[in-house]
Amino acid sequence: DQQVKQNSPSLSVQEGRISILNCDYTNSMFDYFLWYKKYPAEGPTFLISISSIKDKNEDGRFTVFLNKSAKHLSLHIVPSQPGDSAVYFCAASTGAGNNRKLIWGLGTSLAVNP
Amino acid sequence: EAGVAQSPRYKIIEKRQSVAFWCNPISGHATLYWYQQILGQGPKLLIQFQNNGVVDDSQLPKDRFSAERLKGVDSTLKIQPAKLEDSAVYLCASSLVFLEKDRVREKLFFGSGTQLSVL
Repeated sequence: DQQVKQNSPSLSVQEGRISILNCDYTNSMFDYFLWYKKYPAEGPTFLISISSIKDKNEDGRFTVFLNKSAKHLSLHIVPSQPGDSAVYFCAASTGAGNNRKLIWGLGTSLAVNP
Repeated sequence: EAGVAQSPRYKIIEKRQSVAFWCNPISGHATLYWYQQILGQGPKLLIQFQNNGVVDDSQLPKDRFSAERLKGVDSTLKIQPAKLEDSAVYLCASSLVFLEKDRVREKLFFGSGTQLSVL
């Protein structure tokens, strides 16, 4: 049972345009969400996060939107650059202390074309 | 600041052989994770350490996988004997825990991983 779903395995965008990566979740107990970016032959790197008490968090070209009622979050990259081509993972966290759990989506492969 | 170090980067073995991976987390990070990532999938948690104690090993195939974290710093993950389906990238991560409005949050920092091919 996939609690964090990234329904688009891949996405192709033209350089300079907006990239929108989507993530849906099923567990209403998730209270913190993270996006990680992964280049080939490297480990995932943290990109941006959002707490469930917010609906938007922005960091430069990256903005994450959270719609709790729809259990949906999205990552917007504007403008997209060829260097953004990577696999993007959505992850959701719940619990406290040693009971913290981080659940990962399957990833979306983004290709930004020059 | 140095990141999470992992070695080796690549390993090719035959099935039924043994293999070990090493991880050195970011200094001061108490929590260490081992993940398995199969191509096209998200990271799958194998084991989580808090200092040198195991917090969660519910998804670790204990008949063939073992891990230890001596002295709460470096960690090793071993597979003995390996199977074909163990071919994957093995990722080590350590985490920074912080408070955000009285809630505990955590960010994971990953190493580059070890690409294991079992033939």
